[in-house]
Amino acid sequence: DAKTTQPTSMDCAEGRAANLPCNHSTISGNEYVYWYRQIHSQGPQYIIHGLKNNETNEMASLIITEDRKSSTLILPHATLRDTAVYYCIVRVANDYKLSFGAGTTVTVRA
Amino acid sequence: DAGITQSPRYKITETGRQVTLMCHQTWSHSYMFWYRQDLGHGLRLIYYSAAADITDKGEVPDGYVVSRSKTENFPLTLESATRSQTSVYFCASSESTSWNEQFFGPGTRLTVL
Repeated sequence: DAKTTQPTSMDCAEGRAANLPCNHSTISGNEYVYWYRQIHSQGPQYIIHGLKNNETNEMASLIITEDRKSSTLILPHATLRDTAVYYCIVRVANDYKLSFGAGTTVTVRA
Repeated sequence: DAGITQSPRYKITETGRQVTLMCHQTWSHSYMFWYRQDLGHGLRLIYYSAAADITDKGEVPDGYVVSRSKTENFPLTLESATRSQTSVYFCASSESTSWNEQFFGPGTRLTVL
């Protein structure tokens, strides 16, 4: 699997958009980009995934660069409940294994 | 309640004892997983199962045993617990036809003294 690089931590103001970057320069053509988050003392939670196109759901938006070497997860209006560790994961289609790295610790401040 | 549950939520045991962590899901998902989470290592896959009676090793299987006699249950057994197995254990499940997401349980915090 391709490896990902994420900043260790970032702060965000409540109500503002949070933009979480992820580098995956060695991603293969059949690998998807997934985002999960883990709120303190809870199990990880799926957020969104994509292959090439930008994706949006009720939780977030995922912007993938044209060369697919990096992506950005956007939380449009961060709330205090979005404080969590966010994991960017690349994964081959139909591979059930998830490889979690260290992630980005996001702290949303009032 | 529907979903994925783990029991116990907290467990303290002693070195050398056998411990079984339970995982139960109500979705009839084919795939189930066990992860452990330690500071500095993130989440690591211990074992997974593609269906009842089908299991396979993950990244860190040594010291653990799993079974899956029923689709909804996936117990994880530490046959002779060691201090290095002190960790938070998460169970997860996913549908067989969709690799989009794994659903995680609330975790079991295990301390081996």
